[in-house]
This record gives sequence, structure tokens and C-alpha cells, in this order.
Amino acid sequence: ETGVTQSPTHLIKTRGQQVTLRCSSQSGHNTVSWYQQALGQGPQFIFQYYREEENGRGNFPPRFSGLQFPNYSSELNVNALELDDSALYLCASSLTSGGWTDTQYFGPGTRLTVL
Amino acid sequence: DQQVKQNSPSLSVQEGRISILNCDYTNSMFDYFLWYKKYPAEGPTFLISISSIKDKNEDGRFTVFLNKSAKHLSLHIVPSQPGDSAVYFCAATSLNKFYFGSGTKLNVKP
Repeated sequence: ETGVTQSPTHLIKTRGQQVTLRCSSQSGHNTVSWYQQALGQGPQFIFQYYREEENGRGNFPPRFSGLQFPNYSSELNVNALELDDSALYLCASSLTSGGWTDTQYFGPGTRLTVL
Repeated sequence: DQQVKQNSPSLSVQEGRISILNCDYTNSMFDYFLWYKKYPAEGPTFLISISSIKDKNEDGRFTVFLNKSAKHLSLHIVPSQPGDSAVYFCAATSLNKFYFGSGTKLNVKP
């Protein structure tokens, strides 16, 4: 067990709605990354937060946004949901000074279904 | 734009034999490569990594080889055990971005 938790486990939304997914990092980990994993694919990097600031972003539109809080929790917000947003969303935390070489510890993910 | 590719979706190996998982990449600017293992209903777990300035890194039964001229990465598991059965992802990092391959499902038969 990595100590990284995510909620909820499963979620069903309809197209056009907004969703907030939550992640609780390991204590002391000041970096969190979010990934989208479609069925049969590898995780796709959405963005990374370091000390509550976004410091890296993949090829995702602005309707994907995030927040990181001082208590090692974070959120992924997705607005105007589309059918293609249906996927497993993973968060990963790491103890790092902002670099990328530290081990990332993944949570079990939130399965989002958009109808 | 698949910058990291795992062309074998699955691999089956007999217990005790060697498992070789392969990964190809296109971006010569990647500075770090990693392998993750994923069991069903769990997030990926870090396995082993290698810096782009090295060509081999070993940790117990797991060895990662990097061939920069061929832009090729491989993970060797020796000897393979039934508990190694999982999906293996290779990943690479560059410029504050992280790229995963699509995964290879390894089945180690007893």
C-alpha cells in the first residue's frame, strides 16, 4: 500500500457536467501529479503541482484544472465533461524538490464514466 | 503523439525463465526512464529506473538496459515468478512532463 488515497472510487456523470476528484498524498510529499488512463492505454500525464503551484502540464485543455492544498491533499476538476473523458484518473505523489527523478507513489484511481 | 511505445501487449513466460519486456521511444531529450508494475484495481508501483547517462541498472531480479542509439529500453526479470504476473509500463520524463507506454501484460506460468 502506497499511502495515497483517492475518492470517490467510481463516479458516473453526464455530458456537460462538472466533476471534482480528490487525492490524499503521503504525508510530507509536496508534489502531486494527475494522470488519465483510458481503457487499454497507459497513463497520460495531465499536470503536476509542486508546493501548490502548477509546474508541468500535458496536452490537456484548460477545462482540466487542479488545486493542491497545504495538508497534502489535491483536487482534479474537469468542466464541461465529454464522453471521451471516461477513464481511470490516477494521482501520484512524490517527495521531491520539484524534479522528476523521485519515485512517484500512485493511488488506486477513480473510475469516471461520462454518459 | 506516442513518444513512448510498448509494441507487445502481452507476454507469457514459464516460471524460472527470463522475461524481457521492451520499450521504444522517439524523444532523444528524455533524461530519465522508469518501469512500473500494475496489478488489477491498484495504481502503478515503481519498479526500477535508469538515468539517460547510464546503459544498465540492476536491482535484484530486475535489470533495465538502455540503448540510446536505438532509442530502446528493456526490462529483464530473472528468474520470473508467478507473482510477477502484472501489467508493466515503461515511462520517460523530459521538461517537466511524464510519458507512459501503453503497457505489456506479463503472465508467468507455474
